[in-house]
Amino acid sequence: QKEVEQNSGPLSVPEGAIASLNCTYSDRGSQSFFWYRQYSGKSPELIMFIYSNGDKEDGRFTAQLNKASQYVSLLIRDSQPSDSATYLCAVIFNQAGTALIFGKGTTLSVSS
Amino acid sequence: GAVVSQHPSRVICKSGTSVKIECRSLDFQATTMFWYRQFPKQSLMLMATSNEGSKATYEQGVEKDKFLINHASLTLSTLTVTSAHPEDSSFYICSAPGLALETQYFGPGTRLLVL
Repeated sequence: QKEVEQNSGPLSVPEGAIASLNCTYSDRGSQSFFWYRQYSGKSPELIMFIYSNGDKEDGRFTAQLNKASQYVSLLIRDSQPSDSATYLCAVIFNQAGTALIFGKGTTLSVSS
Repeated sequence: GAVVSQHPSRVICKSGTSVKIECRSLDFQATTMFWYRQFPKQSLMLMATSNEGSKATYEQGVEKDKFLINHASLTLSTLTVTSAHPEDSSFYICSAPGLALETQYFGPGTRLLVL
């Protein structure tokens, strides 16, 4: 059973702080990892995509991948109230297709 | 960017009726589309892969006779929930992959409520 695990939260941080979101996955052969943001009642939107070990930075967001530990994380610097949402970790397990397997998501609340 | 639309955005129906949800790629062709379901406070669960010109591939535990998928053209996939029951009430989202591996275009979702 291919699984993606996340702490459901909620994770509460004050405005301007760093939010750290974590995700583990079960299939060691997984190659592609995604972080999506989902607002209530809306479809998910892509925040970050990473496939190499190490860090990938895009603005206030940094994704970190450690394939040996089967762990991927998302750091949000200078958190804003508008970052309050559910963050979904997703993995492509089957490289022949591109269907995503999602974790349950972590709810982030940024207080002003 | 590429856009995927869904119709209807929201539907309320009586138990026992069938509901059809459309997923369209508006400015690109999609030989494959994915259907996801999301229950409240749960994650998106892949239901099936819709393939243009061939049968859909269903995930384990998803009844193919209850959730009929038809990929009628390179821009349209439909999901029909047959004999809907209250437990089918959920948020249904379709997506279509783009050319790049990291590209996945999600539709806006359809909220189904079965009374």
